Amino acid sequence: DAGITQSPRHKVTETGTPVTLRCHQTENHRYMYWYRQDPGHGLRLIHYSYGVKDTDKGEVSDGYSVSRSKTEDFLLTLESATSSQTSVYFCAISPGLAVYEQYFGPGTRLTVT
Amino acid sequence: DAKTTQPPSMDCAEGRAANLPCNHSTISGNEYVYWYRQIHSQGPQYIIHGLKNNETNEMASLIITEDRKSSTLILPHATLRDTAVYYCIRNNAGNMLTFGGGTRLMVKP
Repeated sequence: DAGITQSPRHKVTETGTPVTLRCHQTENHRYMYWYRQDPGHGLRLIHYSYGVKDTDKGEVSDGYSVSRSKTEDFLLTLESATSSQTSVYFCAISPGLAVYEQYFGPGTRLTVT
Repeated sequence: DAKTTQPPSMDCAEGRAANLPCNHSTISGNEYVYWYRQIHSQGPQYIIHGLKNNETNEMASLIITEDRKSSTLILPHATLRDTAVYYCIRNNAGNMLTFGGGTRLMVKP
């Protein structure tokens, strides 16, 4: 995988607790993305970043916030986890938009009980 | 709304070519067609992309019709490790990838 790690890889948490997922890249790519994947919905974009401290919302951003204080790290936070946020979360990176492919991390499986 | 249409599943014999179709009849002139695949429990993997010309790389070939309304991904000699869900994607106005349901390709011995 193109120098992308995600942590934790698995997490079980209770409803109402805050959760932060981390994506770390060693490629120095400008763009970073968070997706979630659920049965029947494919992958859906949550938030993305186009540079340090530059972020924007994706298709399913409600209930999520992100931060990017360094090029290599992109954090996804669930301020108060709900059962509907049980999912597999993928981070991706790309050097640019348009014609550039995205490289995905191994995923984080989050279960909210 | 993924804006592409793919068959939900296909089978292919090991060693034979796998031809995966995709319909994108409303694609605009500046939108690329991307193909990704996802092997079970892994993150999606980029395969190939194209605008209007046919493309080939070490993994696959992409054939785009002249009117750009459809395309076909060709895996020339499918192996068991090519069993995966294959996604055909067009980049939207915001250049964010939108993944639909994809085609589940099963390569059989």
